[in-house]
Amino acid sequence: KQEVTQIPAALSVPEGENLVLNCSFTDSAIYNLQWFRQDPGKGLTSLLLIQSSQREQTSGRLNASLDKSSGRSTLYIAASQPGDSATYLCAVEQTGANNLFFGTGTRLTVIP
Amino acid sequence: GAGVSQSPRYKVAKRGQDVALRCDPISGHVSLFWYQQALGQGPEFLTYFQNEAQLDKSGLPSDRFFAERPEGSVSTLKIQRTQQEDSAVYLCASSAATGFGTEAFFGQGTRLTVV
Repeated sequence: KQEVTQIPAALSVPEGENLVLNCSFTDSAIYNLQWFRQDPGKGLTSLLLIQSSQREQTSGRLNASLDKSSGRSTLYIAASQPGDSATYLCAVEQTGANNLFFGTGTRLTVIP
Repeated sequence: GAGVSQSPRYKVAKRGQDVALRCDPISGHVSLFWYQQALGQGPEFLTYFQNEAQLDKSGLPSDRFFAERPEGSVSTLKIQRTQQEDSAVYLCASSAATGFGTEAFFGQGTRLTVV
């Protein structure tokens, strides 16, 4: 079964810092990897989706990379802001499965 | 609607009670998914519909869990004889296509608390 791990579980940084969130997965037979943001009491907001044939995707201050062969992805957030405070989840869509496999998330706090 | 809508947002049930959770997907979306998210965990897959057909229910934890999507639009997740371990946020997601690699859009979830 696909296992998705996110490190660290929690991260606290001062405003303005650049930061990296890590995600690893055990089975490299994936269609895509997606990064989500979850605010307390809210659903999931998709941030970036990287197809298995891609190496990275960028949206504004966010950049996600994918190394499928090593089973790793990183989410880079530039110039962090207090509004970035949330839980960040990565999820993979595995070949032959109808669903996403999620990590347990990284809870990010950006201190003003 | 503009997004995936779930109701109720919060539900408190006494142990043994039956509950029904509703999901209104984005209009025209073919695929619909249910996930269960326990406190401090990532969402875990429950079941998948393609239009009205339930193609995968491998994630349903027991036969007390039942989902339907009779007209290929709105879906209901029913939990019979609720137990404390059923307490979680139940998330619904929909996507436009049936193929893999299609982005899924999530609702805000229903937080179920069984007391």
